Amino acid sequence: QKEVEQDPGPLSVPEGAIVSLNCTYSNSAFQYFMWYRQYSRKGPELLMYTYSSGNKEDGRFTAQVDKSSKYISLFIRDSQPSDSATYLCAMTALSGNTPLVFGKGTRLSVIA
Amino acid sequence: DVKVTQSSRYLVKRTGEKVFLECVQDMDHENMFWYRQDPGLGLRLIYFSYDVKMKEKGDIPEGYSVSREKKERFSLILESASTNQTSMYLCASNPLTPDRGRVYTQYFGPGTRLTVL
Repeated sequence: QKEVEQDPGPLSVPEGAIVSLNCTYSNSAFQYFMWYRQYSRKGPELLMYTYSSGNKEDGRFTAQVDKSSKYISLFIRDSQPSDSATYLCAMTALSGNTPLVFGKGTRLSVIA
Repeated sequence: DVKVTQSSRYLVKRTGEKVFLECVQDMDHENMFWYRQDPGLGLRLIYFSYDVKMKEKGDIPEGYSVSREKKERFSLILESASTNQTSMYLCASNPLTPDRGRVYTQYFGPGTRLTVL
C-alpha cells in the first residue's frame, strides 16, 4: 500500500462548480498536511496547509483533515478556469528533516 | 518571498553525456531536495541534503549524484545520461525550523525539462 493515494483524474468541471479533491494516507504519524497547485510547465506552489485535524478556509479554498479516517480534502468553491491545474497533496510527520510525502496529483480542468 | 531558481528551463542532451542541473535558493534554508516528475508517477525524490556537504538518498538515486558545497546551492549530476532520464526535474528547499508558521513547507523552483536523445 502506498503511503499516500490520490486519484489522478483528470477531473473536468464547469465554471462555478464546487470541486472536491481528496487524498488518503496510511501513516498515522503524519501531522502536517499541505496542498500544492501546479500549473502546466511550472513548479508546484503551496496553496494551503493544515496541522492535525480540522478545517482551514482561505477565500474559495477549504482544506479538511480527518485523521481518524486518514483522509484529507481540498474544496474549491465557485471554480474558475484559472483554477485549472494539477493539485498535489503532501504530508509529513513532526520533523523538519523528514521529506514530504506527495500524492501523485489530480489534474483539474474548469471549463468556461 | 522565497526564491528557488534553476539554471535552465529546458535542456537537450545526448546519451552518455554528463549533465549538471543547478539549483539556488536565497532564503538560507537548511534543506534542499531534487525530484523528478513524470506523468502517472508523480513526484519522486532523488536526493536531499540537510546541510553543506551532506546528502541522503531518496527513493530513486540510481544514475544520479549530488553536490552541496554551499548552503544556497544544490547540484544534481547525471554521470552518464540515458534516455530514461528524460523528465521534468524539480528542486525544492525548506527551513529546518518553522517558517512564519508554515512549518516544513517546501518551496519549489520552476523546473528543468530535460530531454536525453
